[in-house]
Amino acid sequence: QKEVEQDPGPLSVPEGAIVSLNCTYSNSAFQYFMWYRQYSRKGPELLMYTYSSGNKEDGRFTAQVDKSSKYISLFIRDSQPSDSATYLCAMSGGGYQKVTFGTGTKLQVIP
Amino acid sequence: GAVVSQHPSWVICKSGTSVKIECRSLDFQATTMFWYRQFPKQSLMLMATSNEGSKATYEQGVEKDKFLINHASLTLSTLTVTSAHPEDSSFYICSARAEQGPDETQYFGPGTRLLVL
Repeated sequence: QKEVEQDPGPLSVPEGAIVSLNCTYSNSAFQYFMWYRQYSRKGPELLMYTYSSGNKEDGRFTAQVDKSSKYISLFIRDSQPSDSATYLCAMSGGGYQKVTFGTGTKLQVIP
Repeated sequence: GAVVSQHPSWVICKSGTSVKIECRSLDFQATTMFWYRQFPKQSLMLMATSNEGSKATYEQGVEKDKFLINHASLTLSTLTVTSAHPEDSSFYICSARAEQGPDETQYFGPGTRLLVL
């Protein structure tokens, strides 16, 4: 079993839709949770960073962490074609431990 | 802030040659840099962790003599793929951990696409 599981998609939604992206994990030591956006042939870009459980909102993006279920989510409101990219979840246990990445979910927002 | 650059952005080389990839943190100091490899439709695979002024720490299965890493300054790390072969063709991405901000966040470079013929 992989430490981090993420549905690779692709996920196609119409413009303006609410998008839900998810990851599950097995390592209960993970404390830090990140979401990265990666456009084709580019390096990942940090979108959201969350410590422990709870919600964090930044503009159209909301990150949720449920440590009891070992489940994290990224919601995108009012999705735009420019949101079309691969979204990678990432997590670590802190203390300079290695960051583990999901395989990424490819999202396509159709105008 | 927190911009990381990589050079070159792409490179094509003949089998058996060596290729050097540079990773620079442009507006911050990075005591730790990471080198990843990404194959199509796969996630980032950590190759090694590079600390300024010390030897890199390689992940299991990564040949340290083939992938030479140097982190001579707080803003520059280099990855040299020695005697490259077609199976080394991949997307190589570096990242840097900024001293300011959360320790676990990494800022990624734009990547270097390597094609070995």
